[in-house]
Amino acid sequence: ETVMTQSPATLSVSPGERATLSCRASQSVRSNLAWYQQKPGQAPRLLIYAASTRATGIPARFSGSGSGTEYTLTISSLQSEDFAVYSCQQYYDWPRTFGQGSKLEIK
Amino acid sequence: EVQLLESGGGLVQPGGSLRLSCAASGFSFSIYSMTWLRQAPGKGLEWVSAITDSGGKTSYAGSVKGRFTISRDNSKNTLFLQMDSLRAEDTAVYYCAKTQGYFDFWGQGTLVTVSS
Repeated sequence: ETVMTQSPATLSVSPGERATLSCRASQSVRSNLAWYQQKPGQAPRLLIYAASTRATGIPARFSGSGSGTEYTLTISSLQSEDFAVYSCQQYYDWPRTFGQGSKLEIK
Repeated sequence: EVQLLESGGGLVQPGGSLRLSCAASGFSFSIYSMTWLRQAPGKGLEWVSAITDSGGKTSYAGSVKGRFTISRDNSKNTLFLQMDSLRAEDTAVYYCAKTQGYFDFWGQGTLVTVSS
């Protein structure tokens, strides 16, 4: 099983600033990596797939990068609606696995 | 507009059974794999089970293998999860998701609580 590890667990950032979240896989997932945003009481929403492709309707301030075992989600200028939990997921092998999530909170 | 609507959750005693349903609309259901995922209270997301477009191949997480059964009815655009021998640790919100490896659309979830 591919273990996904996210860091930091919590990130405190001021609106308008940049946020960078990391996701590390225990083995290469060959860019088969997705990012999701989840707000309290809501279902997750797909942000990024194939490590760097934005899903339909996702603002350009969200970007993904990385390869192999190391991936990054960057939010260039935080808006109030961006404060949420972000999770990465690999779909290179079975079972599909998620990171434990990173909470982005207002500083 | 893609819509996924789960139903069938509720309170069940340990050892009991539940059958979850996921009604899909707004896309060609029969040509997509589908997945069940869950999220225990205050915890992260967990992949539970997946089924191919035709239903010919299924996959399960080790934690549910032998107890849960995924199926689909493409004539009714509906996905199912039969959950037997339920345990306290199965307590979670269960989501169905349209699948392309990643999960591009999710339902709103249905809560399953296993408790005596």
